[in-house]
Amino acid sequence: QQQVKQSPQSLIVQKGGISIINCAYENTAFDYFPWYQQFPGKGPALLIAIRPDVSEKKEGRFTISFNKSAKQFSLHIMDSQPGDSATYFCAASITNTGNQFYFGTGTSLTVIP
Amino acid sequence: DAGITQSPRHKVTETGTPVTLRCHQTENHRYMYWYRQDPGHGLRLIHYSYGVKDTDKGEVSDGYSVSRSKTEDFLLTLESATSSQTSVYFCAIMDPTVAAQETQYFGPGTRLLVL
Repeated sequence: QQQVKQSPQSLIVQKGGISIINCAYENTAFDYFPWYQQFPGKGPALLIAIRPDVSEKKEGRFTISFNKSAKQFSLHIMDSQPGDSATYFCAASITNTGNQFYFGTGTSLTVIP
Repeated sequence: DAGITQSPRHKVTETGTPVTLRCHQTENHRYMYWYRQDPGHGLRLIHYSYGVKDTDKGEVSDGYSVSRSKTEDFLLTLESATSSQTSVYFCAIMDPTVAAQETQYFGPGTRLLVL
């Protein structure tokens, strides 16, 4: 059973456009929602994260929107650049457990110049 | 890669042979994890450790065992490799007391092919 459902599986965006990746979860005990970025041949790296006490977090061109009632969160990449082409994973965890950490299935983003 | 190394980085082995992958960290983080990454499945937890000699199973632990005799090293063993274990394996570390957040830091991965 997939604890975190991610869509779309792949995404193609023109340079300068907005990339949007969505995730949904069921377990209301989750209290930490990070997004990871992975380039080919590399391990995932933390991009941005949010806790459910806020509805939005922005870092540069990257924004997480969080809807607690709908149990959904999304990553928005503004002014998408070819260098943003990577695989993005959402995740959800229950803090202070150390092991309740679940990843989405990933979204392959391609930004066309 | 946050002071995490994995060895080997690539390995080809035959069905039925034992394989051990090593993860080494220099960050002194308490938690260590082994994931496998497969297309369409994302990252799935195999085993994790919450301290020296303290380990537990993840969601896809069948056919795998782990050991952690030192804080810095976490070994993953495929007892008798099968073709279904062909995958990319990632080690991750975490310490929630660092910066008060639960970020997992990943190693560079080991690409394993079982023939």
